[in-house]
Amino acid sequence: DVVMTQTPLSLSVTLGQPASISCKSSRSLRHSDGKTCLYWYLQKPGQSPQLLIYQVSNRFSGVPDRFSGSGSGTDFTLKISRVEADDVGIYYCMQSVQFPYNFGQGTKLEI
Amino acid sequence: QVQLQQWGAGLLKPSETLSLTCAVYGGSFTGHYWCWIRQPPGKGLEWIGEIHHSGDAKYNPSLKSRVTISVDTSKNEFSLMLNSVTVADTAVYYCASFLWGLGFDYWGRGDLVTVSS
Repeated sequence: DVVMTQTPLSLSVTLGQPASISCKSSRSLRHSDGKTCLYWYLQKPGQSPQLLIYQVSNRFSGVPDRFSGSGSGTDFTLKISRVEADDVGIYYCMQSVQFPYNFGQGTKLEI
Repeated sequence: QVQLQQWGAGLLKPSETLSLTCAVYGGSFTGHYWCWIRQPPGKGLEWIGEIHHSGDAKYNPSLKSRVTISVDTSKNEFSLMLNSVTVADTAVYYCASFLWGLGFDYWGRGDLVTVSS
């Protein structure tokens, strides 16, 4: 299985300040079709997870541009340029290059 | 835009069979893969498996011997069955749609299934 490791597991950020979450995979997430199968999700308190970023760096529809993703191969980063109160929750990275699809442990962001 | 509406029994005894169904509204039923994901209380997300409208299914090896995902294309619905449940299967179960290259783009609201004697 591909193991996804996130750091840190918890993050306390001041409103308006940046935040960064790292995700490392145990193998390259670049698929043979050229796509890199790394996604970021946010699970707000009491809600279902929601897609933020697909294929490393593409924002899903409606996702604010303060969210950005970067990385390649096995090392990836999610950045929030200026944290807002609505960003509170647990952030998960996920891979789909190989079955079973796996999520990272989650990073809890607090204000 | 795809909407997923899920339902099923919320309280089971050990050894019983978990059964959940998810109805798909909007979007293309044939374009996505249809998935089940679970989250034990206070823990992270676990992919259970997926099915295509053709009936081709993939399962997490950790659950493969106990899980079946099926699809009813006439109703735009897909279902999860997990047999011989134990307390460890207590979790919120989500249905979700998966599109290659996009990921899990739409999620159901989640249903808590509790296994208790």
